[in-house]
Order: sequence, then structure tokens, then C-alpha cells
Amino acid sequence: GENVEQHPSTLSVQEGDSAVIKCTYSDSASNYFPWYKQELGKRPQLIIDIRSNVGEKKDQRIAVTLNKTAKHFSLHITETQPEDSAVYFCAASNTGNQFYFGTGTSLTVIP
Amino acid sequence: GAVVSQHPSWVICKSGTSVKIECRSLDFQATTMFWYRQFPKQSLMLMATSNEGSKATYEQGVEKDKFLINHASLTLSTLTVTSAHPEDSSFYICSARKPVGAGEQFFGPGTRLTVL
Repeated sequence: GENVEQHPSTLSVQEGDSAVIKCTYSDSASNYFPWYKQELGKRPQLIIDIRSNVGEKKDQRIAVTLNKTAKHFSLHITETQPEDSAVYFCAASNTGNQFYFGTGTSLTVIP
Repeated sequence: GAVVSQHPSWVICKSGTSVKIECRSLDFQATTMFWYRQFPKQSLMLMATSNEGSKATYEQGVEKDKFLINHASLTLSTLTVTSAHPEDSSFYICSARKPVGAGEQFFGPGTRLTVL
């Protein structure tokens, strides 16, 4: 099955700086890579996703890059704000039939 | 929008009893729903994939006789934890996938199960 690894497990940045979270996957058949933000005690919320036919996608301060050859994808958050503090999960899926999540990154943005 | 509800949000039960958790997609039909388990400060662990009208597909290590999943309609999947024990205490989250392509999934709010 798919194995998704995520790094780092914790990340602290100063407000205004950028944050980068990286994930690798093992199944070359995976073709959909969403990123979720989960605040304490709440449900995961999709913040951005990318499909295997695209190398990069951007939505305001958030961007995701995908390297299919190396089987890794990354989340980039620019101009971080305190409200960006949360746990972020990457995931990989093959045609949406199964989703496998990374271990999560706890991001703290220091005001 | 895409709204997924889950009921109950929190349940406490005695060891040995069974607990049913419902997951509903409120504004779309979900041919596929997923059940996850999440321990504090840990990631979501996929337990099973629930397909409407067919048997659920369980992940390795998940006891299908203990975690009964029924996907009776396009908007409802249920997870029943049978003969619950304290080690089953966890946060259970469902999600529903839109049927379009590799559709994104939308999560329910989760159910916190505490087994005494």
C-alpha cells in the first residue's frame, strides 16, 4: 500500500516568514495530493490540492509543488500569520479510492 | 458547498457495549465514504473505505467484526464499534468523497468515543 512520510513534525516560524512542509509518497499510481489544516478538536479542512498532471499550484499565500519523478510534494505558506498555527496533513490518493495521510506537522507562528 | 455531519459528536459508554456512529453527506451524494481514527496529536489512520451498496474495504490490522460499517444509502454510512473496550477510545472521523473524478473528500466533525 501507499506510505506517506511528512517532515518536519513540528515547525515554528516568526510571523511574516515562510513555512515549508514536505511529504514523500511511495505509490507511483497516486495522482491526487491534498493538504489539510486541522485546528485543535476540529475537523481537517482542505486548504489546497494538486493533481499529478500539474507541477505547481498557488492560492494566495499558499502554494503546493509536486515532483512526480522524486515522489515528493511540498506545501509553502508565505507571509505567515498567527492564525496559520495548526496541524497540517498531507495526503496521497489513487483516483480517490483511498487516502493515506502523512504524520502531520504542528506549525506555530510566533507573533 | 459540501457538508458532512457526524452523530454523535461525543459518546461515553461502558466497556462491552456497542456504539453506532453515523456519517451523513448533507448536500451531495457520496458513493464513497471513509472512516478514520485519530489519537491525540497523531495523524488520521484510515480504517476502512465504505462503498454504497457493497461491503466495506478494511485496512490491514482493522478488525472488521469489531468495526462494522454499513453504507446503506448514498448519504449515510454508519460505523458500529462492537463490544467496545477502553483501548477503542479515540476520535473517529468520517469523510465523504464527491463522485467526480478523484474528488476531494470532506470531513465530518468527528466523534469522540470514551469507553469506561
